[in-house]
Amino acid sequence: GQSLEQPSEVTAVEGAIVQINCTYQTSGFYGLSWYQQHDGGAPTFLSYNALDGLEETGRFSSFLSRSDSYGYLLLQELQMKDSASYFCAVEKTGRRALTFGSGTRLQVQP
Amino acid sequence: EAGVTQFPSHSVIEKGQTVTLRCDPISGHDNLYWYRRVMGKEIKFLLHFVKESKQDESGMPNNRFLAERTGGTYSTLKVQPAELEDSGVYFCASSPRPGQGGYGYGYTFGSGTRLTVV
Repeated sequence: GQSLEQPSEVTAVEGAIVQINCTYQTSGFYGLSWYQQHDGGAPTFLSYNALDGLEETGRFSSFLSRSDSYGYLLLQELQMKDSASYFCAVEKTGRRALTFGSGTRLQVQP
Repeated sequence: EAGVTQFPSHSVIEKGQTVTLRCDPISGHDNLYWYRRVMGKEIKFLLHFVKESKQDESGMPNNRFLAERTGGTYSTLKVQPAELEDSGVYFCASSPRPGQGGYGYGYTFGSGTRLTVV
């Protein structure tokens, strides 16, 4: 079954804050990553949490709690260009490749 | 630096035909990966090359798929014969080291090849 669960769609307005959750059932992984993909474009690396806690990179922050099997991506001061699909992903122990969530389509409205 | 390049960007073929996808990784990246996204579902791992060797091909769906990386540079993914369920977006990614392994380095993906089998 699917190891990482994300909401399929999220809608928010420009300037707002949105949180995209990722819950997982997999055990034994190196860290949680987030990727952004615009339609027709390449998935682009956003952030990585190796340890529990919050990582901040500009308008984007990512959080991981291994004890809760949960992470999230926080996008602040939303802009229209943030409309895209967002994927959480892990590298499971023993496999040097990413296992992705099903993706969350973010729609930013004016 | 040039990114990961994939060719073609789109391909429409008939069921039973053969298609070959190509990926040129970032120069110097020994690790090359193929992924596939089908029908808006999750992006799924297909296989991993280290230089010219297949490190992990556990994600390859069946023997109609053949990946090669001669000389450890570009890679090709051939689907023969193509079936309807092979439709999707095929992504290639490269990295200078095997995975992130706690270092936090992201993979660099190409824009993908959108394959439609009719």
